[in-house]
Amino acid sequence: DTAVSQTPKYLVTQMGNDKSIKCEQNLGHDTMYWYKQDSKKFLKIMFSYNNKELIINETVPNRFSPKSPDKAHLNLHINSLELGDSAVYFCASSLFAYNEQFFGPGTRLTVL
Amino acid sequence: AQSVTQPDIHITVSEGASLELRCNYSYGATPYLFWYVQSPGQGLQLLLKYFSGDTLVQGIKGFEAEFKRSQSSFNLRKPSVHWSDAAEYFCAVGGVSGGSYIPTFGRGTSLIVHP
Repeated sequence: DTAVSQTPKYLVTQMGNDKSIKCEQNLGHDTMYWYKQDSKKFLKIMFSYNNKELIINETVPNRFSPKSPDKAHLNLHINSLELGDSAVYFCASSLFAYNEQFFGPGTRLTVL
Repeated sequence: AQSVTQPDIHITVSEGASLELRCNYSYGATPYLFWYVQSPGQGLQLLLKYFSGDTLVQGIKGFEAEFKRSQSSFNLRKPSVHWSDAAEYFCAVGGVSGGSYIPTFGRGTSLIVHP
């Protein structure tokens, strides 16, 4: 009965590869987010989806692309991975924008 | 643009002592304010939130926070810290920019609890 789940939990890959991280929420929420947390714990929002529409797209490289097949899922696809992409990526959801967010356990991405 | 400042990177307290974690924000109107806690290797969990009304809000695990508009602050407090409170604490602000709701997090304060 996990509220927000992410897979995989750990991802180790080589520079230049393409990878995806999956996120699912079973809370019936309308809004989902992707965050990047760097080694200094700084948490920066990357994307937000509200009812399958992208409503925030911060200044992230276009190598990152969020994909939402339905309201319960928001996947993150990353092309041509770079060393600087190494971080922990968190998915989150909220009932609606402005409300509290529920976070997944995170995916630690390491690019070698 | 909105911003959040958590001036203390690390705070060390003894178990049983009181705690106050500082948070200052910048936003043109009354924002939505949140405190989250992150235990090692975990995602973030909401402690409490302020939208409107009573400026002193109670949260889980014995935490409370007070919204002070005049100081643009939303400090987190706990009267008696337990060793299990050792974690990373994030203050967050939600506001509207360019017609979209944007949540912004502070850089976090790491709480260390001595026995």
